[in-house]
Amino acid sequence: GQNIDQPTEMTATEGAIVQINCTYQTSGFNGLFWYQQHAGEAPTFLSYNVLDGLEEKGRFSSFLSRSKGYSYLLLKELQMKDSASYLCAVRAGGFKTIFGAGTRLFVKA
Amino acid sequence: KAGVTQTPRYLIKTRGQQVTLSCSPISGHRSVSWYQQTPGQGLQFLFEYFSETQRNKGNFPGRFSGRQFSNSRSEMNVSTLELGDSALYLCASSKGLDSDTQYFGPGTRLTVL
Repeated sequence: GQNIDQPTEMTATEGAIVQINCTYQTSGFNGLFWYQQHAGEAPTFLSYNVLDGLEEKGRFSSFLSRSKGYSYLLLKELQMKDSASYLCAVRAGGFKTIFGAGTRLFVKA
Repeated sequence: KAGVTQTPRYLIKTRGQQVTLSCSPISGHRSVSWYQQTPGQGLQFLFEYFSETQRNKGNFPGRFSGRQFSNSRSEMNVSTLELGDSALYLCASSKGLDSDTQYFGPGTRLTVL
């Protein structure tokens, strides 16, 4: 089967660094996406990885290891507005995107 | 450039009724995907359309159907509504390549009573 696993919830302190892990098992791989979703809103695109390695974009970085079926999203200098759900998604074969259940991140002062 | 739009934003129906949701993709995008999001299940893939053709379908019953028009706008229909169909229905558009980023609309919140 196809599945994506990520932690259900995480809590971190404002100004700190947090790493959200994602492991996946899919038939076919055409890239891995991270989305941010605030409560009651639509998911918004954060990052895309298709090759192994680290992609950095401001305070957010995403890492991919295809051989291990593993990715992580790194958030630096956490702000209160970063409190949201973070969705890991894999573009599998056949134009199908599989989403993880999401990780709810709580940032506390 | 305008984003993905979905109408209506909120809908209340009763069991047994049917509903049609609409999605207008970003201009120039030819692919539209539909997802159902519930608190317990996360985002579940319904189907994807590209150039008026369904390219892929998720594991939902036949009560869920969709179509895409020549201007890339898409509709999804749910017939014989059940309480469990209450969810946020999201559509996402992309240019259509496998590696393209999907951009989501605000969603339609469907409540079935």
